[in-house]
Amino acid sequence: DAKTTQPPSMDCAEGRAANLPCNHSTISGNEYVYWYRQIHSQGPQYIIHGLKNNETNEMASLIITEDRKSSTLILPHATLRDTAVYYCIVMTTDSWGKLQFGAGTQVVVTP
Amino acid sequence: DTEVTQTPKHLVMGMTNKKSLKCEQHMGHRAMYWYKQKAKKPPELMFVYSYEKLSINESVPSRFSPECPNSSLLNLHLHALQPEDSALYLCASSISGGAGETQYFGPGTRLLVL
Repeated sequence: DAKTTQPPSMDCAEGRAANLPCNHSTISGNEYVYWYRQIHSQGPQYIIHGLKNNETNEMASLIITEDRKSSTLILPHATLRDTAVYYCIVMTTDSWGKLQFGAGTQVVVTP
Repeated sequence: DTEVTQTPKHLVMGMTNKKSLKCEQHMGHRAMYWYKQKAKKPPELMFVYSYEKLSINESVPSRFSPECPNSSLLNLHLHALQPEDSALYLCASSISGGAGETQYFGPGTRLLVL
């Protein structure tokens, strides 16, 4: 069963913020929201994760709704190198770190 | 250093061949993973090792045989593969294998089975 739902594709203009939505309406209280991305023909790259609170690092911000049923990954100033498939993943805290990737969102950043 | 290395980058093998994929990390991580990624599909977990012991086998056929000789090294031995096993094989590592840990991925080995 898919734990997350993401749009299959998004376009974003270079220099603008990219807002990537993810729905995880069945998330449990002990499950993290993780974001990874995969640039073509490379291994996935960790971006950010959170449990309840919003998080920010040098790559992105993660906004989690108060009911935790959805989240948004924000790339503040998209560059051409941000073109990739972005995966939103829900991972439980009480088991081995099994990353179950969904279909992800193909983000294309255009000049 | 957050690098996971994988060799070879590309591999072509026949269905009767035996080959091995190698993965190495020097981050002091004690958990290592193998994932398989078919074209235009997301990665799928195959195996998890934690402290050199196999913790998870996601019902992978026995023609794939993992090995973790030490905490820095992970191998995947391949024997009698089928053409449908052609895929990108990704290795990852994390601190100990628990949830909430960041997994660091290597660039993958692209395997073609003829």
